[in-house]
This record gives sequence, structure tokens and C-alpha cells, in this order.
Amino acid sequence: DTGVSQDPRHKITKRGQNVTFRCDPISEHNRLYWYRQTLGQGPEFLTYFQNEAQLEKSRLLSDRFSAERPKGSFSTLEIQRTEQGDSAMYLCASSLTGASYEQYFGPGTRLTVT
Amino acid sequence: AQSVAQPEDQVNVAEGNPLTVKCTYSVSGNPYLFWYVQYPNRGLQFLLKYITGDNLVKGSYGFEAEFNKSQTSFHLKKPSALVSDSALYFCAVRAAQTGANNLFFGTGTRLTVIP
Repeated sequence: DTGVSQDPRHKITKRGQNVTFRCDPISEHNRLYWYRQTLGQGPEFLTYFQNEAQLEKSRLLSDRFSAERPKGSFSTLEIQRTEQGDSAMYLCASSLTGASYEQYFGPGTRLTVT
Repeated sequence: AQSVAQPEDQVNVAEGNPLTVKCTYSVSGNPYLFWYVQYPNRGLQFLLKYITGDNLVKGSYGFEAEFNKSQTSFHLKKPSALVSDSALYFCAVRAAQTGANNLFFGTGTRLTVIP
């Protein structure tokens, strides 16, 4: 399968713990996006990369959230000191360069903070 | 500011009947508009997009959408609904001229096709 993949698919953690999610984009896509989706809502943009450069991060929800894409391929999203309000689906998407190109989404990582 | 409104949380339609899922948008300048579908436990799947040109765009699985600039709408349509079309549908927009590349999504419309 050559689509966007995310790992893990599900994560249960205790409040205060750190978690890291991984996203592998479609191989020829140089743009990679992270979104968060809560129940009953549409995806909410968090950050995006073009190659290894993080071009937009002002919408990361707090300084507990950070993302990297060190070699311009896969990306990681880390949440430090998790809170119950962080429970959500975290979606990754990738696209070709250019605003007119559609984004292709992975299956998401469902985070539950207890 | 960019935003999308999907005024109906739920749409029910009988199998074989035409379906419409509504979307209106707000954006500065020209819009790029997208429809996605989400099945349970799966990611969002791209259906179709409007970038420029013909106001009627055709996409996957027999879906189409009509861009109406004066009404700032981009309603999703299908001539004959299938039970397998039952899913959650999201409309999304981004402004063509801005530097940002993120999509703004609506809150989704759950479509149920009744056999």
C-alpha cells in the first residue's frame, strides 16, 4: 500500500506522560501536515512541513506540542505532559507542492489520556 | 478569515434517490474547495475538488459538486444514492492567494442512505 501510514493507530496513556506519533507520507509528496480531530468536529490544522522545513507552527495547540521531519520523509508529533483534553484523533496528510493539490490523509492515531 | 459551514449535521435519503450535502464557505479572494468522505475507523478520503474552470466538478464514486461563487456554495451531489455511500462527509476550503496551505474543514454531515 503506498498511502499515508501512521503509527500507532491507538495510544492510551496516563495524564502527564509524553507520547510520540509517527507519520510516513506518500513517497513523492514533499508536503506533510498534522491535524487534530475531536468528536463531532472536522479536522483542525496544527502544523505543516515542506521537505524538512516546518513552515507553519503557530497553530500548534500549546508549547507541549512539537513536530519534526528531520530528513524530509517521515514526521513525528510529540505531546509532552499529556492532559485529558489532548484525547483526540491525530491525522497526518501529505501532498505535492502547490496549493491546488489535494491532501491525502492517513488513518489517524487515536489518543486516549486517562 | 477562512471558514466552512455545513448546515446539516445529518442527511437521510432513500437508496436510489438523488442526494445533496450542503456546504458554504467564507474566504478572502478565490477559493480552492474540496470534499472528503470518512468511513468508520478510516482516514479521510479525497472525493473531488474545485480549483478553477467549469463550475461543475466530477469526482470519485459518481459524486459531483457545483461551485456557485455568488452564493459562496459548493454542494455535493449524486444522482442516485447507494447504501454504501453512508458515511461522514467533510467540506474544506483554502484561499488560493494566501501562503498558508492548510485546509479549513466544516463540522461534517453524516449521510445515511436507507435501503
